[in-house]
Amino acid sequence: GQSLEQPSEVTAVEGAIVQINCTYQTSGFYGLSWYQQHDGGAPTFLSYNALDGLEETGRFSSFLSRSDSYGYLLLQELQMKDSASYFCAALDSNYQLIWGAGTKLIIKP
Amino acid sequence: EAQVTQNPRYLITVTGKKLTVTCSQNMNHEYMSWYRQDPGLGLRQIYYSMNVEVTDKGDVPEGYKVSRKEKRNFPLILESPSPNQTSLYFCASSSSGRAGEQYFGPGTRLTVT
Repeated sequence: GQSLEQPSEVTAVEGAIVQINCTYQTSGFYGLSWYQQHDGGAPTFLSYNALDGLEETGRFSSFLSRSDSYGYLLLQELQMKDSASYFCAALDSNYQLIWGAGTKLIIKP
Repeated sequence: EAQVTQNPRYLITVTGKKLTVTCSQNMNHEYMSWYRQDPGLGLRQIYYSMNVEVTDKGDVPEGYKVSRKEKRNFPLILESPSPNQTSLYFCASSSSGRAGEQYFGPGTRLTVT
């Protein structure tokens, strides 16, 4: 079957760095996306990795290793507004996104 | 402003009463999709559409119908809602070459009693 595994909850301190890991198992694979969702809000797109390596967008970076079926989202200089749920999602051979259950990021002052 | 809109945002209804949730996007996207989100389960795809008049089932299509008569609109129809369809529903769209980058509507919270 198709599945993505990510931690259910991560806690970090304001100003610190946090990494949210994601492992995937899909029928075919085109790339890995990351989305942010605040409580009561809609998911918003953060990044998409089709190739191995690290991609940086401001304070957020995303990494992919296709050989390990693994990726992570790295958040630097954490701010209180980064408190949210983060979802990884794999684009499969049917060109559909398969979603992880989400990681709730709790940031403490 | 580029956006995906959904209506209604909140809906409380009774078992068996047909309802439609509308979704519209103004970005000329080919791809549109409906998801439901339940606590602890992430997002599960209900139906998707690669373009006008082209729709296909996602992971949880039972009890739902869709249509794509125009590029901008993708309504979700519940012919006979049941309590297990109580959920938060999201519509999303993307351009055909960027399916990993989807834009979401604000969500519709549906309660079926």
